[in-house]
Amino acid sequence: QSALTQPASVSGSPGQSITISCTETSSDVGDYNFVSWYQQRPGKAPKLMIYDVSNRPSGVSNRFSGSKSGNTASLTISGLQAEDEADYYCASYIRSRTSWVFGGGTRLTVL
Amino acid sequence: QVQLVQSGAEVKKPGSSVTVSCEASGGTFTNYAISWVRQAPGQGLEWMGGIIPIFRTPSYAQKFEGRVTIAADESTNTAYMELSSLRSEDTAVYYCARVGGVVLTAIEYWGQGTLVTVSS
Repeated sequence: QSALTQPASVSGSPGQSITISCTETSSDVGDYNFVSWYQQRPGKAPKLMIYDVSNRPSGVSNRFSGSKSGNTASLTISGLQAEDEADYYCASYIRSRTSWVFGGGTRLTVL
Repeated sequence: QVQLVQSGAEVKKPGSSVTVSCEASGGTFTNYAISWVRQAPGQGLEWMGGIIPIFRTPSYAQKFEGRVTIAADESTNTAYMELSSLRSEDTAVYYCARVGGVVLTAIEYWGQGTLVTVSS
């Protein structure tokens, strides 16, 4: 049981927006200010999409955005495209231990 | 551009150990946290542990304490992960990964993954 809880699946139609939540369910995730999001397509390594809650690395589409309210972080994908279909994972960096904890992952289906 | 190249697939017997290597190129090796993350078939990502080579002291997820050893060789820009007392549940793809050059709080670079199969 991960200390970060994500929905198992979400879906949306092309052009729509979807939001994936990541809720801290344990105090063992650090101060939860360093939340990152990863996209993983089948058979591929994960790709960093968002870091430090709401920052996008260079090259990541601005259709991807992150936010946090209380103990829940969220990834929003706007203008859904077929290529967005993938698994998405949140993670929290625990600075005091230089370690990470991952959420259980959410499968995004583009209908 | 940072590249992480991992050693090849392994098939191991239950009770044995496996060592996976990860050679880094294209950036400074010593100052950035390297992690090992595994993914069992059809399952999610699981952080196992990591090391900042210049400090040489690894940190491990509680689940793997006592069974995993992570080390780094600065002379060859290579990190290693050894997992012992293997069981079938350890069958997984093992990734080495590194924080970014600017972003130190997220894992930006990933190796290609190494499939470890534990089977009698």
